[in-house]
Amino acid sequence: GQNIDQPTEMTATEGAIVQINCTYQTSGFNGLFWYQQHAGEAPTFLSYNVLDGLEEKGRFSSFLSRSKGYSYLLLKELQMKDSASYLCAVTDSNYQLIWGAGTKLIIKP
Amino acid sequence: GAVVSQHPSWVICKSGTSVKIECRSLDFQATTMFWYRQFPKQSLMLMATSNEGSKATYEQGVEKDKFLINHASLTLSTLTVTSAHPEDSSFYICSARDETNHNEQFFGPGTRLTVL
Repeated sequence: GQNIDQPTEMTATEGAIVQINCTYQTSGFNGLFWYQQHAGEAPTFLSYNVLDGLEEKGRFSSFLSRSKGYSYLLLKELQMKDSASYLCAVTDSNYQLIWGAGTKLIIKP
Repeated sequence: GAVVSQHPSWVICKSGTSVKIECRSLDFQATTMFWYRQFPKQSLMLMATSNEGSKATYEQGVEKDKFLINHASLTLSTLTVTSAHPEDSSFYICSARDETNHNEQFFGPGTRLTVL
């Protein structure tokens, strides 16, 4: 079956760095997305990886290792507004998006 | 990025009535759109895949006769919740897949449905 695993919840301190991991097992791979979702709102796009390596975009970076079925989202200089759920999603061989359950990130002052 | 609109943003209705939710891709054409449901403090749950010009594909456990999906054009999909009951109260989110942009799904802002 298809499976995406990410931690349920993480806590970090304002100004610090946090890494949210995602491992996946899917039938085929055509890219991995990270989305941010604030409570009561729809998800918004953060990053897309299809090749191995690190993609940096401001305070957020995303890493992919296809051989390991592994990705992480790195958030630097954490701000209170970064408190949200972070969703990992993988596009399989049929271009269907398989979703992880999301990681709730709590930022403390 | 591409924009997807959803209407209405929120709706309150009486039990037994039907509610229609519209999802539009504003600046791109979407052969495929998706309908999700999200209960409080839970993750997104895919309800169905909406295919332009053909029948929707429903996920296991989702009643096709209760959640009617129509994708009549490349920019519009509608979800009709028929004979709504309080347990149908939820946050309904649509997304549209942009095949010219890594097949990324762009999400609408969501519709909060409350059935009294």
